[in-house]
Amino acid sequence: DTGVSQDPRHKITKRGQNVTFRCDPISEHNRLYWYRQTLGQGPEFLTYFQNEAQLEKSRLLSDRFSAERPKGSFSTLEIQRTEQGDSAMYLCASSNRDPGTGELFFGEGSRLTVL
Amino acid sequence: DQQVKQNSPSLSVQEGRISILNCDYTNSMFDYFLWYKKYPAEGPTFLISISSIKDKNEDGRFTVFLNKSAKHLSLHIVPSQPGDSAVYFCAASWVAAGTASKLTFGTGTRLQVTL
Repeated sequence: DTGVSQDPRHKITKRGQNVTFRCDPISEHNRLYWYRQTLGQGPEFLTYFQNEAQLEKSRLLSDRFSAERPKGSFSTLEIQRTEQGDSAMYLCASSNRDPGTGELFFGEGSRLTVL
Repeated sequence: DQQVKQNSPSLSVQEGRISILNCDYTNSMFDYFLWYKKYPAEGPTFLISISSIKDKNEDGRFTVFLNKSAKHLSLHIVPSQPGDSAVYFCAASWVAAGTASKLTFGTGTRLQVTL
């Protein structure tokens, strides 16, 4: 399977714990995006990488969130000191074109439940 | 501030009939519009797109119409099939100077195609 893969698919944690999600994009895609989706809402942009450079972060991304993409391949999204409001589906997407003119390929998502 | 709005959370259509999903936007800077389809437990998948310089784009059973003056677009599915039952997200993008082009999603419309 050469699609976008995310791990873990589901994470249950207690408030205050740290969690990390991993995304492996399609190998030839240089653009990588993280989105967050809560119940009844559409995906909301969190951050964007072009190769290894993090070029943009949303205001939604508080200081407790950090994302990396070392060597421009896989990416990790870490949430420190989780809060119940962090419970959501975290979606990773990749592309080799501008998303305005080319599609984003999404992974299946990592669902976070904070108790 | 919801810049992309899908005011119908759900829609039920009989198999073989036309499905019409609507989307309104407020940001006149948007210059590209896309529709994504999402099945349960999967990430969104790209369906069809349209540039702001066009008013119609067709791909098989799917047609997207854009009315820029009304800031409105719609997705027509003809004929509707049971496999079309999914959540449909409208998305829009524009390139602002110094930022990455990224997608802004609506809240989605759940389409149910009945036999």
